[in-house]
Amino acid sequence: DAGVTQSPTHLIKTRGQHVTLRCSPISGHKSVSWYQQVLGQGPQFIFQYYEKEERGRGNFPDRFSARQFPNYSSELNVNALLLGDSALYLCASSLSGTVDQPQHFGDGTRLSIL
Amino acid sequence: AQSVTQPDIHITVSEGASLELRCNYSYGATPYLFWYVQSPGQGLQLLLKYFSGDTLVQGIKGFEAEFKRSQSSFNLRKPSVHWSDAAEYFCAVGVSGGSYIPTFGRGTSLIVHP
Repeated sequence: DAGVTQSPTHLIKTRGQHVTLRCSPISGHKSVSWYQQVLGQGPQFIFQYYEKEERGRGNFPDRFSARQFPNYSSELNVNALLLGDSALYLCASSLSGTVDQPQHFGDGTRLSIL
Repeated sequence: AQSVTQPDIHITVSEGASLELRCNYSYGATPYLFWYVQSPGQGLQLLLKYFSGDTLVQGIKGFEAEFKRSQSSFNLRKPSVHWSDAAEYFCAVGVSGGSYIPTFGRGTSLIVHP
């Protein structure tokens, strides 16, 4: 079975641009979470979605948004990119998004802002 | 709000030696605790988790961790390290009763000498 897949793997943008990152969960998983991992730090929670509804939001500005589609795939959108948005963006899926269900991570999208 | 401290940024061990990675958490109730491993260029993989019950938990790849409530710690151990264990290790805490929105520590980088 395929794991969590993220696209693209790498992306270079300039300040002020917009970016869309994509995530396909493991088949049967209905919950997707997004994390930002800045170099040298642990992942920081951005969003969690379950059955297309937002279930949780971390401490990120409104420039960050996400959605989940009927097939449970998800997009993370970031507007008005800043240099500080340079990071590895991780997507994780699980059956229900609850704490007892293990999360499975993709390999991430490396976003570089010039 | 919960928090996680991993006091060691880097740990260097020789292959075959024992390993202990430290993790201290702050949370008012019984926490859900996790250890993840991240190899370069990859996402996170769950090594083990603690929810309740036996305070010594076994994980994959020969790792174990012990929950000590009195010390607010959840240290990761392995009796004999292999060169392939070189990676970044993250401790995380999640709250009970709902969505899994974890707080990660900043990570400990494990270096293994031959």
